[in-house]
Amino acid sequence: NAGVMQNPRHLVRRRGQEARLRCSPMKGHSHVYWYRQLPEEGLKFMVYLQKENIIDESGMPKERFSAEFPKEGPSILRIQQVVRGDSAAYFCASSPIGREGGYTFGSGTRLTVV
Amino acid sequence: KQEVTQIPAALSVPEGENLVLNCSFTDSAIYNLQWFRQDPGKGLTSLLLIQSSQREQTSGRLNASLDKSSGRSTLYIAASQPGDSATYLCAISNFGNEKLTFGTGTRLTIIP
Repeated sequence: NAGVMQNPRHLVRRRGQEARLRCSPMKGHSHVYWYRQLPEEGLKFMVYLQKENIIDESGMPKERFSAEFPKEGPSILRIQQVVRGDSAAYFCASSPIGREGGYTFGSGTRLTVV
Repeated sequence: KQEVTQIPAALSVPEGENLVLNCSFTDSAIYNLQWFRQDPGKGLTSLLLIQSSQREQTSGRLNASLDKSSGRSTLYIAASQPGDSATYLCAISNFGNEKLTFGTGTRLTIIP
């Protein structure tokens, strides 16, 4: 089992471009969560998805950010028109049955906006 | 709103010593609590998961305890090794939602 796979590991975007971050959960996991870690800050929840459904997006910024978890393929976190303040590490976690068994995290995508 | 605090923010101890990391939280209606370690530039590795009904969990040299009434959890590391150097994060899941609330972590350095 390869664990939670995130790609790319590092992503550099110019201001105004789009960033697409991908997350493949562990095999058998149908719950996906995205977290953001800003420099010198703790991890903050962004969104919780199950296949084809957004369950909780209370941590997502109101504009420019969107997430999906299609029936086939990885979960995608999309950031449109990136700004310098979007520079952060974005982590994906998955679980098989929600939080009961705990969460497994990926290695993250480090986004740098120049 | 759940708030999670970890003190100290940084800790240095000589190799071989036993040590305790602290995590405190404001809302005792927790579902479970998970301890992670994060190495520089890396992801999170799960160490221990304590369910609301449990008092402690053990894995190798690690022991985590949970006291909901006082709003505290501790992570005990026995016979510390340089490889234990990392940032340790406490994260809590509350009833009513699936999201984790993280503390800001304790950066641990084990001195050879």
